Amino acid sequence: DGGITQSPKYLFRKEGQNVTLSCEQNLNHDAMYWYRQDPGQGLRLIYYSQIVNDFQKGDIAEGYSVSREKKESFPLTVTSAQKNPTAFYLCASSISGFENYGYTFGSGTRLTVV
Amino acid sequence: GNSVTQMEGPVTLSEEAFLTINCTYTATGYPSLFWYVQYPGEGLQLLLKATKADDKGSNKGFEATYRKETTSFHLEKGSVQVSDSAVYFCALSVRGQVSNFGNEKLTFGTGTRLTIIP
Repeated sequence: DGGITQSPKYLFRKEGQNVTLSCEQNLNHDAMYWYRQDPGQGLRLIYYSQIVNDFQKGDIAEGYSVSREKKESFPLTVTSAQKNPTAFYLCASSISGFENYGYTFGSGTRLTVV
Repeated sequence: GNSVTQMEGPVTLSEEAFLTINCTYTATGYPSLFWYVQYPGEGLQLLLKATKADDKGSNKGFEATYRKETTSFHLEKGSVQVSDSAVYFCALSVRGQVSNFGNEKLTFGTGTRLTIIP
């Protein structure tokens, strides 16, 4: 079945460490997105990519980095510069075209700083 | 800019009650409107959508009508079940505001937590 796979489901990070969250899709979608979800704040866009080898900053990109070397993969690195990284991270993808089909989401990664 | 305002939760209802979750929006241009649902510990799932004024989206007994005159997209269900307990997000996107690739950013509301008690 087609879908988006995020791994790991739970991740613990020590202060000062970088960690990378994986996002893989087999839907042949062109665009991929990373969102951060905090209680009571809804979803905030971190980065998005519309084609391979190209990506754009979202609303809260500071302290994060991404790459898009393959259409299927859009990993997110949470760097030590991110001051408050504890959150639920969601990856999504969407198809190009005239009709707006919305996004398909992964099941998320919960990151906790210890 | 674009924005979505949802009624604040949490909302608690008894099983078989009527549900309304209000959503209003501000957008430059003509948006497509969406409702997503998030069950505990999971990602978001598309519940329904409407792409032009007066369209009605429906799925799993939920409905929402795109009202351009009131800039609203309220979610309704006639008889809720315990399994409907989740967080519901209203969202919009406007074609052409990001690029010509056809992939527009979604702008989300803050979500409404719904709890149904037996």
